[in-house]
Amino acid sequence: GEDVEQSLFLSVREGDSSVINCTYTDSSSTYLYWYKQEPGAGLQLLTYIFSNMDMKQDQRLTVLLNKKDKHLSLRIADTQTGDSAIYFCAESDDGNEKLTFGTGTRLTIIP
Amino acid sequence: EPEVTQTPSHQVTQMGQEVILRCVPISNHLYFYWYRQILGQKVEFLVSFYNNEISEKSEIFDDQFSVERPDGSNFTLKIRSTKLEDSAMYFCASSENGGELFFGEGSRLTVL
Repeated sequence: GEDVEQSLFLSVREGDSSVINCTYTDSSSTYLYWYKQEPGAGLQLLTYIFSNMDMKQDQRLTVLLNKKDKHLSLRIADTQTGDSAIYFCAESDDGNEKLTFGTGTRLTIIP
Repeated sequence: EPEVTQTPSHQVTQMGQEVILRCVPISNHLYFYWYRQILGQKVEFLVSFYNNEISEKSEIFDDQFSVERPDGSNFTLKIRSTKLEDSAMYFCASSENGGELFFGEGSRLTVL
């Protein structure tokens, strides 16, 4: 079955860039997503990328997709304390009917 | 901003008891979902619901689970006879047209 893997923890100094990595196994993945979960809150869609793209930029967020290696990354420029959260990578074959999530990466900001 | 709301935020129950988790999706949304996350594990898809019927379900969603949209606003997940391994955070989500999912804050279920 499909699998999505992420490292569990990342610590970054305030003002530096954070890079959160994700690998997936399903070669038919069409959509790849990054969700953010702040403490006590639900999962919030941050950004997504279609499998026919290799990069997407949205303000401080840059998503890179290496389809050959099935590797997805999320770069957050100028990381702020408000970026502290758990970041989930997810994929789906068909748009949103069923998402396969990773375990989430807990991003901690060091002042 | 419209949001998905879930109740209760935390429920503690004895093994074997029935539990109903409630969700109020965003009002004009037509697609509804339940996901769960066991502590320390991945968020897992349980079921999707559209047009008053289940459109897809995972292997986890066995006969102990059921979903219902009883009154046009609530979307419920029932676990008939809870087991210890049902302890998890349960997330409801909705989407307008099968596109972006909007998630609730989750209901934490603890089975003792």
